[in-house]
Amino acid sequence: DTEVTQTPKHLVMGMTNKKSLKCEQHMGHRAMYWYKQKAKKPPELMFVYSYEKLSINESVPSRFSPECPNSSLLNLHLHALQPEDSALYLCASSQVAERGRTDTQYFGPGTRLTVL
Amino acid sequence: DAKTTQPPSMDCAEGRAANLPCNHSTISGNEYVYWYRQIHSQGPQYIIHGLKNNETNEMASLIITEDRKSSTLILPHATLRDTAVYYCIVRVSTGGFKTIFGAGTRLFVKA
Repeated sequence: DTEVTQTPKHLVMGMTNKKSLKCEQHMGHRAMYWYKQKAKKPPELMFVYSYEKLSINESVPSRFSPECPNSSLLNLHLHALQPEDSALYLCASSQVAERGRTDTQYFGPGTRLTVL
Repeated sequence: DAKTTQPPSMDCAEGRAANLPCNHSTISGNEYVYWYRQIHSQGPQYIIHGLKNNETNEMASLIITEDRKSSTLILPHATLRDTAVYYCIVRVSTGGFKTIFGAGTRLFVKA
């Protein structure tokens, strides 16, 4: 099973709302990623967790707060977003590449976020 | 991670082979070439990857030049469902998580 699931599929929120995006995988992967993708642009890396610890933060504004409660789950907490934060938010997971193993990333279907 | 250059768009007739080129002239010795595709509004789908040897799987073939400065993804018999944006990415595959997507190639498969 190479499936990464994301909920919700669509989310509309106001600028004062607090919401969360969820991502789950059961492939035993220990690296999980959040990407942001604007229309007609490639995905941009936001955060990487490795062994449930934040490994990379690509200078993302603090209104985006990631959380990795266990090895299968990844959340992205949203607060006080701006309309320009409207985008497709993609989650991915991979093995942590070690000797002889690849770290191919597997992506979820994404959450389409609209901020009003 | 090395930067990649791909043509912005390509057309292919249904049933014919689609050959998608990628230039990665600054690739390092420990960087792999990965290909993903993204069908409209879906998450990127892994296709294939390689280091220096040519690779083939059930989806595609990857041809990497001997100097590793460029590669070609081959879809042997393109179908309408192969219409997508194809991304060529180079990245370290041991301990490196950073993935930088280039602009990709928008492939149109026409009946």
